[in-house]
Amino acid sequence: SAVISQKPSRDICQRGTSLTIQCQVDSQVTMMFWYRQQPGQSLTLIATANQGSEATYESGFVIDKFPISRPNLTFSTLTVSNMSPEDSSIYLCSALTGLGPKKGTEAFFGQGTRLTVV
Amino acid sequence: AQTVTQSQPEMSVQEAETVTLSCTYDTSESDYYLFWYKQPPSRQMILVIRQEAYKQQNATENRFSVNFQKAAKSFSLKISDSQLGDAAMYFCAYRTPFSQKVTFGTGTKLQVIP
Repeated sequence: SAVISQKPSRDICQRGTSLTIQCQVDSQVTMMFWYRQQPGQSLTLIATANQGSEATYESGFVIDKFPISRPNLTFSTLTVSNMSPEDSSIYLCSALTGLGPKKGTEAFFGQGTRLTVV
Repeated sequence: AQTVTQSQPEMSVQEAETVTLSCTYDTSESDYYLFWYKQPPSRQMILVIRQEAYKQQNATENRFSVNFQKAAKSFSLKISDSQLGDAAMYFCAYRTPFSQKVTFGTGTKLQVIP
């Protein structure tokens, strides 16, 4: 298993500003992921954070709006840029444990960040 | 494309009773993983149980068990002796060994009545 620490747990931000969410894993992992979850709804994958290369974004999400860093095998950040009220949501980071062919089966999650944009 | 369907937006169960949450999925793959995750109001996604498709035996974790019907592409979760702490959103999820992405269902909100 893995323990994933995510911060901040919540924040209220002014529109037009940016917020960076941090995610720290207690072991080295190959794959880290960022999700968005509207209250009461399912998870939507924003992007896959790759160590040593650019993140891979899903349809509807772009790097300028959601820049991602992955400086090493235990850490990643997601920035929500130029925020608007429509960005109010829960943001979750996730990781598949292990490295390379020894990666684990299931994904583990951080505690989530509840973002409110006013 | 793989899809995961949870047809029950909400369910309720009396404390100490048994409840079954439904999940169906669509895939052309023969090897894959299925999961049930629990998300309480704290927002933390917690893995409840997992099933490897190549295993015929249904997975069991204490009070939680699954009914995996591969031909029918069905993966239901049974919670026995329901407890108040079981109240949460439950998400069914799917992943192949070759893809890093997890596909989630829309979730079922479980209420446990004292």
